[in-house]
Amino acid sequence: QKEVEQNSGPLSVPEGAIASLNCTYSDRGSQSFFWYRQYSGKSPELIMSIYSNGDKEDGRFTAQLNKASQYVSLLIRDSQPSDSATYLCAVITGGGSEKLVFGKGMKLTVNP
Amino acid sequence: DTEVTQTPKHLVMGMTNKKSLKCEQHMGHRAMYWYKQKAKKPPELMFVYSYEKLSINESVPSRFSPECPNSSLLNLHLHALQPEDSALYLCASSQDSSGGRRDTQYFGPGTRLTVL
Repeated sequence: QKEVEQNSGPLSVPEGAIASLNCTYSDRGSQSFFWYRQYSGKSPELIMSIYSNGDKEDGRFTAQLNKASQYVSLLIRDSQPSDSATYLCAVITGGGSEKLVFGKGMKLTVNP
Repeated sequence: DTEVTQTPKHLVMGMTNKKSLKCEQHMGHRAMYWYKQKAKKPPELMFVYSYEKLSINESVPSRFSPECPNSSLLNLHLHALQPEDSALYLCASSQDSSGGRRDTQYFGPGTRLTVL
């Protein structure tokens, strides 16, 4: 079973809409969760980290974590064309591992 | 400042060449990482250095040889590569790898490697 699963994409939303990206993980001991944004040809850029159950907001971005359901999501409000990128969910696996495991990524397109 | 730098930006090499990729950070981070990323795929972990010691080698072929000369520098030595090794090679660093907020990884811009 793959350790980090993201919804298959791509996802296309109109400008100004809310984009919702979802991710599940298999290692119940995981404690650290991240969302990275990657523009085509560029390296991953950290946009959100979350460690506790609940919501964490940063500007137009909200990360949600539910450890009981092993689920983490990212909401992008008022989506802009500049948000068009691939979004990678990443999880530090539990048990003292130093491994950051990525989901396969979701390509988001925001249409003007 | 969360800057990780990598050189060169692009590298083209033949299968018999020896080359090195370099990564540097001045954030005082004590964990550094090498990843390989193929097109339309997520990054794949290759190596982890923690406090200048190799702590994870993800069964990477010996034609890739990492080196951590000091806490700010990470090198990846390349020798006798194959065309399928062409990819974006990413370096990352974190405060350390002890968990919690200290394990947040910041990526450099990457080196685009082409093996002919």
